[in-house]
Amino acid sequence: EVQLVQSGAEVKKPGESLKISCKGSGYSFTNYWIGWVRQMPGKGLEWMGIIYPGDSDTRYSPSFQGQVTISADKSISTAYLQWSSLKASDTAMYYCARPSMFGAFDIWGQGTMVTVSS
Amino acid sequence: EIVLTQSPGTLSLSPGERATLSCRASQSVSSNYLAWYQQKPGQAPRLLIYGASTRATGVPGRFSGSGSGTDFTLTIRRLEVEDSAVYYCQQYGSSPHSFGQGTKLEIK
Repeated sequence: EVQLVQSGAEVKKPGESLKISCKGSGYSFTNYWIGWVRQMPGKGLEWMGIIYPGDSDTRYSPSFQGQVTISADKSISTAYLQWSSLKASDTAMYYCARPSMFGAFDIWGQGTMVTVSS
Repeated sequence: EIVLTQSPGTLSLSPGERATLSCRASQSVSSNYLAWYQQKPGQAPRLLIYGASTRATGVPGRFSGSGSGTDFTLTIRRLEVEDSAVYYCQQYGSSPHSFGQGTKLEIK
């Protein structure tokens, strides 16, 4: 079964760093892009960026460029989303998702809730 | 960056009726790379339609997508209570692969 399993919920303070993960299984991890999507409480979906684990080619939305870092470790079939200094406005559910060969996200992780509060 | 505008914001219909959801792009979507997703409370989104009109695996035939260029439509026939959800369109033809703001569909 093709699946993406994300790391668990996090509660952090402003200014702290964080790295959340997304582990792929059931398919060739290096042959598919992995994207990250933000959903703030009660709000819509926002495309953050995407990485190709095969060569680490990474694209960011201008809205998130410089705010987060997307990376991948193909040896353990895991993609990451990280922050160096969290803000309260980073509080959101974060989903990883895999585009099919047709380009749309057909496989989604279960989401990681990140709460940033003093 | 392509901006997707969905309408209406909320749609309230009865079981058995037809829903028509619109997604308009600020510029032409390359190769009609337009997808529709369904999201129910507490769940991750689910892919319904890709390539503007192709149903994803397991999606009932009541769901259909149409359109090209800048105007796209998701039609849901014979509505069921379980279709209550928020529906998002997404273009994946040019980076960033933006989403629309969503249409909330209520079935009562």
